[in-house]
Amino acid sequence: AQTVTQSQPEMSVQEAETVTLSCTYDTSESDYYLFWYKQPPSRQMILVIRQEAYKQQNATENRFSVNFQKAAKSFSLKISDSQLGDAAMYFCAYEGAQKLVFGQGTRLTINP
Amino acid sequence: GAGVSQTPSNKVTEKGKYVELRCDPISGHTALYWYRQSLGQGPEFLIYFQGTGAADDSGLPNDRFFAVRPEGSVSTLKIQRTERGDSAVYLCASSPSGHTDTQYFGPGTRLTVL
Repeated sequence: AQTVTQSQPEMSVQEAETVTLSCTYDTSESDYYLFWYKQPPSRQMILVIRQEAYKQQNATENRFSVNFQKAAKSFSLKISDSQLGDAAMYFCAYEGAQKLVFGQGTRLTINP
Repeated sequence: GAGVSQTPSNKVTEKGKYVELRCDPISGHTALYWYRQSLGQGPEFLIYFQGTGAADDSGLPNDRFFAVRPEGSVSTLKIQRTERGDSAVYLCASSPSGHTDTQYFGPGTRLTVL
């Protein structure tokens, strides 16, 4: 079974600085997708970024980028120029067989 | 609609009662998913519909849980004889066709079993 591990229960960063959230996963599949979702107190899971495993190029979305290391099964999220609105729970997720497997989450705090 | 909607937003019930949670997916999305998120945890998969049929119900914890999607749009998650351990946020997601598509989530229903 696939598993996803986020080893940082909490992280904090100064506004305008850069922060990196870690994620590792375990799978025997070669074709899969990886995601980072953001969950603010409103509970709604919001897609931050998506990576296809067959693509070597790291995905980027504005201030958000990933470092995807397929051999190491690592998928970290970098947030540049952190903003107060980035404060939330962040979940790393693996998709296989049409269902998502989530990590435990990292609570990100932005210090003004 | 513009996004996935779920009703009710919050539901409080007593142990042993029956509850129904509703999910309205994004219009045109054929794939629909239910997840359960316990306090301080990541969401856990419950069931996946492709159209009207349950393509994968391997995450349902026991036979007290059941879900339907009779017309391939709205889905209802039904929980019989609720237990305190069923207290959680129940999240619904939909995607255009399933495989390789991004899942878009609703705001969830917080279920509290007293």
